[in-house]
Amino acid sequence: AQKITQTQPGMFVQEKEAVTLDCTYDTSDQSYGLFWYKQPSSGEMIFLIYQGSYDEQNATEGRYSLNFQKARKSANLVISASQLGDSAMYFCAMIGGSNYKLTFGKGTLLTVNP
Amino acid sequence: SQTIHQWPATLVQPVGSPLSLECTVEGTSNPNLYWYRQAAGRGLQLLFYSIGIGQISSEVPQNLSASRPQDRQFILSSKKLLLSDSGFYLCAWSVGQILSPLHFGNGTRLTVT
Repeated sequence: AQKITQTQPGMFVQEKEAVTLDCTYDTSDQSYGLFWYKQPSSGEMIFLIYQGSYDEQNATEGRYSLNFQKARKSANLVISASQLGDSAMYFCAMIGGSNYKLTFGKGTLLTVNP
Repeated sequence: SQTIHQWPATLVQPVGSPLSLECTVEGTSNPNLYWYRQAAGRGLQLLFYSIGIGQISSEVPQNLSASRPQDRQFILSSKKLLLSDSGFYLCAWSVGQILSPLHFGNGTRLTVT
């Protein structure tokens, strides 16, 4: 079974500062993928970034980077230079290599203050 | 490019009435298709997924069902809605190998009264 834990129900950050959203995971699969999604108040789920379990380098996509520490089973999302539009719910998720099921954490509500 | 269409955007239905939510994907063939539900203020729960026509895997209780009548069409149904069926329903697709990101539709906000 797969499990995703996001321990921060809410986070606040000042505009233009960096913020780290925590995510830990548990799986018995050797091959797996880790994802981060953004959900604005409008409701749509926006795919941000992906990290494969065998990827040696941390994934980056623009202002988003994934701090992948395999031994600690953590996959934290780092948002650099926060913008007001970054205010949203952020979900960490994973797929194990043995099935097609994407399992989500409970999410972190990020608020960017001007 | 691939797009996903999900409708309706909002729906208010009385308890005991039927439900049909539809989702279609364009720009790709043989996608993996998913239905998720998000209760208010909570995470996403996988309801059904399908990796091909006629193949549906169910993760939840019996009040809901899913069908895939065509390659790129996924339908979520219920014969009799319960109050607990209220929520935000999201359809998603992915292609290729298992470790591929899911891409979501805009969702349907269902209120059962």
